[in-house]
Amino acid sequence: AQTVTQSQPEMSVQEAETVTLSCTYDTSESDYYLFWYKQPPSRQMILVIRQEAYKQQNATENRFSVNFQKAAKSFSLKISDSQLGDAAMYFCAYSSYNQGGKLIFGQGTELSVKP
Amino acid sequence: GAVVSQHPSWVICKSGTSVKIECRSLDFQATTMFWYRQFPKQSLMLMATSNEGSKATYEQGVEKDKFLINHASLTLSTLTVTSAHPEDSSFYICSAYQPSRTVNTEAFFGQGTRLTVV
Repeated sequence: AQTVTQSQPEMSVQEAETVTLSCTYDTSESDYYLFWYKQPPSRQMILVIRQEAYKQQNATENRFSVNFQKAAKSFSLKISDSQLGDAAMYFCAYSSYNQGGKLIFGQGTELSVKP
Repeated sequence: GAVVSQHPSWVICKSGTSVKIECRSLDFQATTMFWYRQFPKQSLMLMATSNEGSKATYEQGVEKDKFLINHASLTLSTLTVTSAHPEDSSFYICSAYQPSRTVNTEAFFGQGTRLTVV
C-alpha cells in the first residue's frame, strides 16, 4: 500500500520570504501522480501543483515549485515570496496512475505567514 | 476548473437519526466520486469510491451499512449516515473525477459538510 508522510506539522515563514514544505512517500509503482493541496480556513481543497512521476522536470506554478526526487521518494513544495494569503493547511497527496482521482493524503503541514 | 457542489454545508442532527449529504458535479460528468472524512486538524481519510451505476467500494474499517453511498447518475452521489452517533461528527468532503485528455487524474472537491450529531 502507498503511504504519504509529512513530518512538519507546523511551519512559519515571514512575508515575502521563501519556505519549503517536506513530503515523502512510499510506493512500489513506477507510474503515479503527486499533488500539493491547500486547505484554507474555509476548508475548500485547492490544487496548488501537480507532478507526473514520469516527468523529470519539476513542476512550477507561479510562486510555487516542487523538488521531485523519484529515487528518494521525496516531493517538497517551495513557496517563494510568501504572502499572507498563503497561510493554510497544506497536504501532499499521491495517486496511482490507474486509479484516477483516488488520493492518499499526508498528515498535513499548517503554514503560518508572519507580516 | 470544474465545479463540484456539496450540500448541505453544515448539518446538526439528533443521535439515532439519518442524514444525507449530496455531491453534485455541476458542469461535467463524473465517472467516479470519492468520499473523505476529516477530523479537526487531521488529514483527509478516504472512506469510499463511488462509481455511477454500481456499488461503492469501501475502504477497510469503514462500515458500509452505516455510511450508505449511492451514485445514481454521472452528476450526483449521496452519502447517508444512518443511525448517527456523536462519534460520527466530522467534516465530510466529496470529490469528483473527470478524466482528462492530458492528465489522467483531475479530481475536483466539494466545499465539504460539517456534521454535528447531538
